[in-house]
Amino acid sequence: SQQGEEDPQALSIQEGENATMNCSYKTSINNLQWYRQNSGRGLVHLILIRSNEREKHSGRLRVTLDTSKKSSSLLITASRAADTASYFCAIYQGAQKLVFGQGTRLTINP
Amino acid sequence: DTGVSQDPRHKITKRGQNVTFRCDPISEHNRLYWYRQTLGQGPEFLTYFQNEAQLEKSRLLSDRFSAERPKGSFSTLEIQRTEQGDSAMYLCASSLSERGRSGGSIQYFGAGTRLSVL
Repeated sequence: SQQGEEDPQALSIQEGENATMNCSYKTSINNLQWYRQNSGRGLVHLILIRSNEREKHSGRLRVTLDTSKKSSSLLITASRAADTASYFCAIYQGAQKLVFGQGTRLTINP
Repeated sequence: DTGVSQDPRHKITKRGQNVTFRCDPISEHNRLYWYRQTLGQGPEFLTYFQNEAQLEKSRLLSDRFSAERPKGSFSTLEIQRTEQGDSAMYLCASSLSERGRSGGSIQYFGAGTRLSVL
């Protein structure tokens, strides 16, 4: 299976701290994507990193990709209460089938 | 709002009834996907359309499930003879395939339809 697996499954931090979550996968990829899901809602795309990229930034988000270790990390800096959500990494299996991990449930405490 | 819209947002039905969900993708997107998500899990792929053609179906999509995308616009997902195990969030997503660009595109998701089968 090419399913991404996130670690940790749950993370609770204080507002203002940084949050790091990791994703591991099993086969070669063209790109890896991170999505956020607020409770009971749809997914919002955060960032896409291609296999020839090692690091990508978007606002307070920083994503790294290590294809030799088949892993990626998502760093959220200066966390806010609104960052409370589940975060998923996703990779393509075949041409169009996006496969998600179980996600990391992030809680930001005020 | 020009995002992906799904209707209804919530559906409660009795076991054995048929239900139908609708998804309206972003207007210029030619690809449309359906996913199912159960509590505490990531979304699981069900099927996808390129314009009006259904090009891939997951084995999760039993013969009680059928999806259509007439004229390559909106899509419907029907579940016949619902079972309690069908209770889940059903998510729709759309994307735009770009010629000459490989590797998979960003998918944009709707808010989902939450199905509860009693």
